[in-house]
Amino acid sequence: DTAVSQTPKYLVTQMGNDKSIKCEQNLGHDTMYWYKQDSKKFLKIMFSYNNKELIINETVPNRFSPKSPDKAHLNLHINSLELGDSAVYFCASRGLAGGGTQYFGPGTRLLVL
Amino acid sequence: DAKTTQPNSMESNEEEPVHLPCNHSTISGTDYIHWYRQLPSQGPEYVIHGLTSNVNNRMASLAIAEDRKSSTLILHRATLRDAAVYYCILRSHGGSQGNLIFGKGTKLSVKP
Repeated sequence: DTAVSQTPKYLVTQMGNDKSIKCEQNLGHDTMYWYKQDSKKFLKIMFSYNNKELIINETVPNRFSPKSPDKAHLNLHINSLELGDSAVYFCASRGLAGGGTQYFGPGTRLLVL
Repeated sequence: DAKTTQPNSMESNEEEPVHLPCNHSTISGTDYIHWYRQLPSQGPEYVIHGLTSNVNNRMASLAIAEDRKSSTLILHRATLRDAAVYYCILRSHGGSQGNLIFGKGTKLSVKP
């Protein structure tokens, strides 16, 4: 069973388009995250979210918006895609037990042309 | 979250032990030491974490210095599958969201 899943795995799109990446976790966790890993392999947190609070990394452009239809899902919507948005995006979740261990999805490789 | 310092890369031979060091001289009393690794083309995965005492699990061991200013992740018998980037991260369990701040990590190469 996949604990944290993301779709699509690959996404190729044109500049200016709007796209969404979906994330689902079946671990019953309350907190979910989105991370961005750029071409230099730096992994940076974009958002953390539970059913009560959204914390946004201040460096994230407001073209990026997380949307959570329910506790098991945290989708990432991106408006007006730019070349610099090309990266691998990882979703993760965290429960209360286990010392705060985060479980990551397989990543979505976004290429903006 | 306090910063950590790791070597950029290390090499190991298959079936030999590997000791991955991490310095965290500004660690605070509430900071736990977490290790994650990222295999090629995969998401990061949890390896181990500890506070003061050494820790063992099925993947690795974590040796924490008495002053907690450094720690070492120990892979007892490296396999080719252990080739990955290993991240040492300090996380305060008092933080509201448990964010992980990833550094550059150590890229471990394992030679057959």
